[in-house]
Amino acid sequence: RKEVEQDPGPFNVPEGATVAFNCTYSNSASQSFFWYRQDCRKEPKLLMSVYSSGNEDGRFTAQLNRASQYISLLIRDSKLSDSATYLCVVNRGDGNKLVFGAGTILRVKS
Amino acid sequence: ETGVTQTPRHLVMGMTNKKSLKCEQHLGHNAMYWYKQSAKKPLELMFVYSLEERVENNSVPSRFSPECPNSSHLFLHLHTLQPEDSALYLCASSLDSRAGELFFGEGSRLTVL
Repeated sequence: RKEVEQDPGPFNVPEGATVAFNCTYSNSASQSFFWYRQDCRKEPKLLMSVYSSGNEDGRFTAQLNRASQYISLLIRDSKLSDSATYLCVVNRGDGNKLVFGAGTILRVKS
Repeated sequence: ETGVTQTPRHLVMGMTNKKSLKCEQHLGHNAMYWYKQSAKKPLELMFVYSLEERVENNSVPSRFSPECPNSSHLFLHLHTLQPEDSALYLCASSLDSRAGELFFGEGSRLTVL
């Protein structure tokens, strides 16, 4: 089993739609969690950290469920510019190593 | 504009060549990383340097040799690579090796013939 698993997609959605991605992780000792965004042929960039209480940044909401070991990202009112690959990232806590998921592709179409 | 720059952006090499990838960060960070990204696979951590000391070597073949002469520069020396080593090599930096936010360079796309 992969340490961090994501549905690869692609998720094809119209502009204005709400879309949600889930990510599961296998190491229950994992301590911190992040969503990164990677545009086509570009480097990954931090989108947001994921806190136990859940957090929101504009149209983006991230949530953590430690009991079920999954993280979610919700995007409301999708824009064309949201098209990218979304990477789930988990800090395992042993030497603070970040483990990346393979990413979920989102395509927003007009 | 990224605070982490990588050169070259593209590299084609034969299996018997020796080449190097260079990374420079202008962010004052203390930790630097090499990651490998292959198509449809997760980023794979290769090496971590913290304050110029290698703190992680993630079972990487010896044909990849990192060098960190100071906290702003990181090299990846390549020799006798295999075609399966063709990938995007990403350099990243962070405030320290426990920080959750990595700042990536744009990557060096390597093709091994």
